[in-house]
Amino acid sequence: ETGVTQTPRHLVMGMTNKKSLKCEQHLGHNAMYWYKQSAKKPLELMFVYNFKEQTENNSVPSRFSPECPNSSHLFLHLHTLQPEDSALYLCASSQAAGTTPSGANVLTFGAGSRLTVL
Amino acid sequence: GQNIDQPTEMTATEGAIVQINCTYQTSGFNGLFWYQQHAGEAPTFLSYNVLDGLEEKGRFSSFLSRSKGYSYLLLKELQMKDSASYLCAVLRANDYKLSFGAGTTVTVRA
Repeated sequence: ETGVTQTPRHLVMGMTNKKSLKCEQHLGHNAMYWYKQSAKKPLELMFVYNFKEQTENNSVPSRFSPECPNSSHLFLHLHTLQPEDSALYLCASSQAAGTTPSGANVLTFGAGSRLTVL
Repeated sequence: GQNIDQPTEMTATEGAIVQINCTYQTSGFNGLFWYQQHAGEAPTFLSYNVLDGLEEKGRFSSFLSRSKGYSYLLLKELQMKDSASYLCAVLRANDYKLSFGAGTTVTVRA
């Protein structure tokens, strides 16, 4: 496996379900990110982990709960979601976060998990 | 805050040149990045500019003017496989996080 791998690729869930999205990176990076991508809207940064420490929670509702057990794995736990949470959730990694040189912040993305909330 | 603008859609002919403009208004700046995203796939990194001027990578070039808050991505000798969404992103100065524009969907026609 190379790059950034996300599972599942597609997920349909009811508003009362609990599910998790998983991300794994094989690049030796130290920072991992969750982004939300909705149609015709800019990518929205949700969470950032740098060396396993959460450094950003971009005013994300508590029904989204991230977990980063090590620098290679990142989870997004989902519970009691709303239909408006339906979107593509992208995981990304970079060498580091919030540091120079700028090139260290280049993101490598996974293919995303397409979430539909009924 | 960040305000990043790019056109929603562009159409061009195979073999032609297309220029995708991106303007930004930010409270701080540490670099501008371009990503390509094919439908249903991950965004992939194309280029980044920190200093003013033109960066060339094969058929793709990216230009930056920091004083004007302006960048463009130039795609030359267009191929059908270049049909994709192109995302402009600015690296914020205060925390080095990327803020993205909504993307420009480029359609290449035969």
